[in-house]
Amino acid sequence: AQRVTQPEKLLSVFKGAPVELKCNYSYSGSPELFWYVQYSRQRLQLLLRHISRESIKGFTADLNKGETSFHLKKPFAQEEDSAMYYCALAYSSASKIIFGSGTRLSIRP
Amino acid sequence: NAGVTQTPKFRVLKTGQSMTLLCAQDMNHEYMYWYRQDPGMGLRLIHYSVGEGTTAKGEVPDGYNVSRLKKQNFLLGLESAAPSQTSVYFCASRPGTSGHYEQYFGPGTRLTVT
Repeated sequence: AQRVTQPEKLLSVFKGAPVELKCNYSYSGSPELFWYVQYSRQRLQLLLRHISRESIKGFTADLNKGETSFHLKKPFAQEEDSAMYYCALAYSSASKIIFGSGTRLSIRP
Repeated sequence: NAGVTQTPKFRVLKTGQSMTLLCAQDMNHEYMYWYRQDPGMGLRLIHYSVGEGTTAKGEVPDGYNVSRLKKQNFLLGLESAAPSQTSVYFCASRPGTSGHYEQYFGPGTRLTVT
């Protein structure tokens, strides 16, 4: 069955330190992967998708099919990055997106 | 273009009361979804709809009913609220076009059942 795993419920790093939020998925075909972000008391919004291969707010994520991972990275964390981050998987013929359980990122000053 | 809106923003119910949450989208999206968000459990899909007049069960459908009488609206009903349904509820929508999987979310409804 398709699944998205985010092993860390909470990740706390100091401002200026590198950040890596882990995401692993299980799907045998060609998935489409996303990262969504939810700032305090706001709606979820798309941060980035692997197809576009872009960097948003300094974040990047590379799809590693061999390791079935889509980790989110940022070289230097900023306080405004504190938020809840969800990894999500979509695939053809599916009408749903599968979300991970989320990782709360806390940036310490 | 308002995107996805939800009504109400907040609500407090007593056990056994009923209510309906309204989700509306003005993007002509085919697919609509209802999620609940609970601490430590992430987003869980309650029900979804792939088009006007159709609905399907998600991961946690018990205690909820939905209707999609109009393409732009997706209603979530609680017939007899229970404290376990205290949560933040999010609606989302996306186009039905193949390859367009990004979901657009509403601002959420915070529901407390006492």
